[in-house]
Amino acid sequence: DTAVSQTPKYLVTQMGNDKSIKCEQNLGHDTMYWYKQDSKKFLKIMFSYNNKELIINETVPNRFSPKSPDKAHLNLHINSLELGDSAVYFCASSSDPEVYGYTFGSGTRLTVV
Amino acid sequence: SQQGEEDPQALSIQEGENATMNCSYKTSINNLQWYRQNSGRGLVHLILIRSNEREKHSGRLRVTLDTSKKSSSLLITASRAADTASYFCATALSGGYNKLIFGAGTRLAVHP
Repeated sequence: DTAVSQTPKYLVTQMGNDKSIKCEQNLGHDTMYWYKQDSKKFLKIMFSYNNKELIINETVPNRFSPKSPDKAHLNLHINSLELGDSAVYFCASSSDPEVYGYTFGSGTRLTVV
Repeated sequence: SQQGEEDPQALSIQEGENATMNCSYKTSINNLQWYRQNSGRGLVHLILIRSNEREKHSGRLRVTLDTSKKSSSLLITASRAADTASYFCATALSGGYNKLIFGAGTRLAVHP
């Protein structure tokens, strides 16, 4: 079974729309993350939740809002999509990021047209 | 700017050869990790080396860490075509920041 699963895998939408990406992990990890990978492959952290509590909120526009209903789920909602939001968004989880590596989902390729 | 920077940006070798990728970083770390990303896929954790370790092995992978130079290297021995991927170093900053900072990655192509 997939350890960190994201849906959808692909998302094509028009500017101005609102969309959500869902992430679920079945590893029992306490910490979950959202990363954005741009067209040059740079990976940048956006948010981190530890047991449903927001612990990292990098400089991300207010149009991006994470939600964690429980420690196994971390969703990302994006309002008023812009062309520059086109990227691959990765969800990840870790039991202890200072000791263990992250487990990544397979990514959601978002294309804003 | 990125915390970690990989060198080279791209590497092309023949099967059976060794591949060495380097990573430099800027601030104090708890650990440094290497990940592999196949085209169109997520990142896969390869190996983690703690700041008090100097060398670590895992199968055909050998990682070194020099905290005085703030650098690390990943060596893949006896490379295979299946090793073709992008490789990223990521640093876990000291101070409890609870996040990984990724470098720009090295694209490795292994030709049969």
